[in-house]
Amino acid sequence: TQLLKQSPQFLSIQEGENLTVYCNSSSVFSSLQWYRQEPGEGPVLLVTVVTGGEVKKLKRLTFQFGDARKDSSLHITAAQTGDTGLYLCAGLYNFNKFYFGSGTKLNVKP
Amino acid sequence: DAGVIQSPRHEVTEMGQEVTLRCKPISGHDYLFWYRQTMMRGLELLIYFNNNVPIDDSGMPEDRFSAKMPNASFSTLKIQPSEPRDSAVYFCASSLTSEDQPQHFGDGTRLSIL
Repeated sequence: TQLLKQSPQFLSIQEGENLTVYCNSSSVFSSLQWYRQEPGEGPVLLVTVVTGGEVKKLKRLTFQFGDARKDSSLHITAAQTGDTGLYLCAGLYNFNKFYFGSGTKLNVKP
Repeated sequence: DAGVIQSPRHEVTEMGQEVTLRCKPISGHDYLFWYRQTMMRGLELLIYFNNNVPIDDSGMPEDRFSAKMPNASFSTLKIQPSEPRDSAVYFCASSLTSEDQPQHFGDGTRLSIL
């Protein structure tokens, strides 16, 4: 059973387009992290959100934590080919263990 | 600073053989995690250590899997005997002080069991 469901599973867009990926659960998380993983490498942390309703921006990336701390979204503005990768959300459950979502595989075409 | 170092990067072996994966965490990190990643199941936590002590091994699939952390700078994940369904990418990660800190991942070991 996967605690965190990510959607869409795959996304292929043209450079310059905007996109949003989602991370949803029926469970409440103490905090939530977003990672990006490139082929042949391990995931790299992008951001941690802790407070319900929190919004964080990282250049063209905007992260939001749901008010009830059960879901999160990642919005990318004007996607670039360098944004291509697997985006993973990870929720800290019960203050003691992280669970990873299944990921959204993003392909940005030139 | 060196990141998390895993070895080997690739391992191909026949079923029934013993496989040992190695990890050197970032110096000063108290937590070490072993994950397995497959297309079907995504990234799954197998076991994690705090100050070299195993805290939660509930993700270890079965008794064929074992993990040790003899000191703060080294950990191993062993599979004996290996089976084709163990084929996956295995990641080691480390973090500072508590479970909710950012995890720093190694580049993984791609394991193929024939």
